[in-house]
Amino acid sequence: RKEVEQDPGPFNVPEGATVAFNCTYSNSASQSFFWYRQDCRKEPKLLMSVYSSGNEDGRFTAQLNRASQYISLLIRDSKLSDSATYLCVVNPSPNFNKFYFGSGTKLNVKP
Amino acid sequence: DGGITQSPKYLFRKEGQNVTLSCEQNLNHDAMYWYRQDPGQGLRLIYYSQIVNDFQKGDIAEGYSVSREKKESFPLTVTSAQKNPTAFYLCASTPGGSNQPQHFGDGTRLSIL
Repeated sequence: RKEVEQDPGPFNVPEGATVAFNCTYSNSASQSFFWYRQDCRKEPKLLMSVYSSGNEDGRFTAQLNRASQYISLLIRDSKLSDSATYLCVVNPSPNFNKFYFGSGTKLNVKP
Repeated sequence: DGGITQSPKYLFRKEGQNVTLSCEQNLNHDAMYWYRQDPGQGLRLIYYSQIVNDFQKGDIAEGYSVSREKKESFPLTVTSAQKNPTAFYLCASTPGGSNQPQHFGDGTRLSIL
């Protein structure tokens, strides 16, 4: 079983739509969670960290569900510029920094 | 500006040749990483280092080697033993502490001639 799993998509949505992605992780002891955005042929860029209480940054909201071992990313009022691949990242250990990446979920926002 | 610099941006390897990818950071980060990304795939960990003069194999270390002689530098050598080296290579770093996200360089694209 993979450490981190994501639906590859693509999710095709119209501008202004709300879209949500989930990501499941296998290690219940996982400590840190992040969402990254990756544009085609570019490096991943940190979108947001995911805290136990959930967190919001403008149109983006991230949630953590430890009981079901998944994190989610909600994007409201989608923009054309939101089109990208969204990577879920998990650090399972409190002792050292080793990160596991999902394969990414592709989002296409259409006019 | 602080950041991670990878060079070169594009690299071509001949059969039987070793090539070295450079990664330098001026963020004073303790931990550094090398990942490989194939088209349409996620990132796979090649090697990582948490302190100077120490590094560990990741999930796909065969055919690669690294060194960590200085805190700011973590070069990756793709050896001739790596039979399928064509990929996008990404270097990352973290300041240390399990709740810190990774910062990435802008990558090196390696192709076989």
